[in-house]
Amino acid sequence: KNQVEQSPQSLIILEGKNCTLQCNYTVSPFSNLRWYKQDTGRGPVSLTIMTFSENTKSNGRYTATLDADTKQSSLHITASQLSDSASYICVVSGIVPPGKSTFGDGTTLTVKP
Amino acid sequence: DVKVTQSSRYLVKRTGEKVFLECVQDMDHENMFWYRQDPGLGLRLIYFSYDVKMKEKGDIPEGYSVSREKKERFSLILESASTNQTSMYLCASRAKEGKNIQYFGAGTRLSVL
Repeated sequence: KNQVEQSPQSLIILEGKNCTLQCNYTVSPFSNLRWYKQDTGRGPVSLTIMTFSENTKSNGRYTATLDADTKQSSLHITASQLSDSASYICVVSGIVPPGKSTFGDGTTLTVKP
Repeated sequence: DVKVTQSSRYLVKRTGEKVFLECVQDMDHENMFWYRQDPGLGLRLIYFSYDVKMKEKGDIPEGYSVSREKKERFSLILESASTNQTSMYLCASRAKEGKNIQYFGAGTRLSVL
């Protein structure tokens, strides 16, 4: 069964610090990997999307990396802000069946002043 | 910007009631999805639709049905609500071609008493 595992489950950091969230997956054959940010009580919002040939994708202070060989991805947040407090969800899509997405359980990030 | 609108943010229903959750998107997307999100279980796909009047079961379709009479609208129906259907329900849409990004609504938090 295709799985997406995220770690840590939760994380607390101080404002201004950096952090890295991890995503390991077993989805195969792989199509793309997305990171979403979900604020409390809101729907997820896309941060980055990476296909097989992409190793790094940035969106402001968010940088996602992908190692398709080891089936690992990370989301690095630089100079964290209070507004970064949210759940971060890793989503992996395979080629077959087309469009099928597997969601990780998410990492809950809390940024404290 | 893509806008996915869910008709209600909060709903409280009684066991056995028929419940309709409505979702409308304004970007002419072919694909629409209904998920439920529960703590520790992540997002789980209930149903999805590739086009008008087309529907496919997701991972947990039991106890639910859907309707897609118009391209912009995708409805989730709980024929006879039960307490184990208390959850956050998220609707998403995605274009048929191009980037595989799903755009989510704000979510409907349903409580079944």
